[in-house]
Amino acid sequence: SQKIEQNSEALNIQEGKTATLTCNYTNYSPAYLQWYRQDPGRGPVFLLLIRENEKEKRKERLKVTFDTTLKQSLFHITASQPADSATYLCALPLPNDYKLSFGAGTTVTVRA
Amino acid sequence: GAVVSQHPSWVICKSGTSVKIECRSLDFQATTMFWYRQFPKQSLMLMATSNEGSKATYEQGVEKDKFLINHASLTLSTLTVTSAHPEDSSFYICSATTQVASSYEQYFGPGTRLTVT
Repeated sequence: SQKIEQNSEALNIQEGKTATLTCNYTNYSPAYLQWYRQDPGRGPVFLLLIRENEKEKRKERLKVTFDTTLKQSLFHITASQPADSATYLCALPLPNDYKLSFGAGTTVTVRA
Repeated sequence: GAVVSQHPSWVICKSGTSVKIECRSLDFQATTMFWYRQFPKQSLMLMATSNEGSKATYEQGVEKDKFLINHASLTLSTLTVTSAHPEDSSFYICSATTQVASSYEQYFGPGTRLTVT
């Protein structure tokens, strides 16, 4: 079965720096990959979707890459702000399905 | 756009009682809604897929007689936790999906915190 691993449970960075989060997956090749933000006690919020034929996608200060050879996606938050502090989840569709499988998430804390 | 609401946002109930959680897509029609459960510091675990007008599909290990799902319309799905026990205490989140090109984006509700005493 597919497995999703996000690089670490927690990432602490200084305001203004770039946060880089990793999502690795095994055992299959998804057609797309999604990133979500989740604040404590809240449901996830959709951020970005990147397809297998896209190398990179940007949205404001967010950048996502998708390397289907390495089976890895990188999620970057540039010029980070304390308001970016949250847990970030990567999600992939299950094989031949549109149901999503989520990684455990990486909690980012941005210090002022 | 793409707003999903849940009600209630939190509920405390006694062991043995049943609790109903509503999930509504406010500004779009959702033929498919999903129900997830999330324990502290863990990821979302899919419980079931709810399709309008048909029976829900449950994931392995989820008791369908305990977690009753009804998808009565294109904008409303309900999850009823029957005969709740303390181990059912969790954060329950629904999502509604909409197709964009060949992919599906999910829009999540704010979640419902269930505490069973």
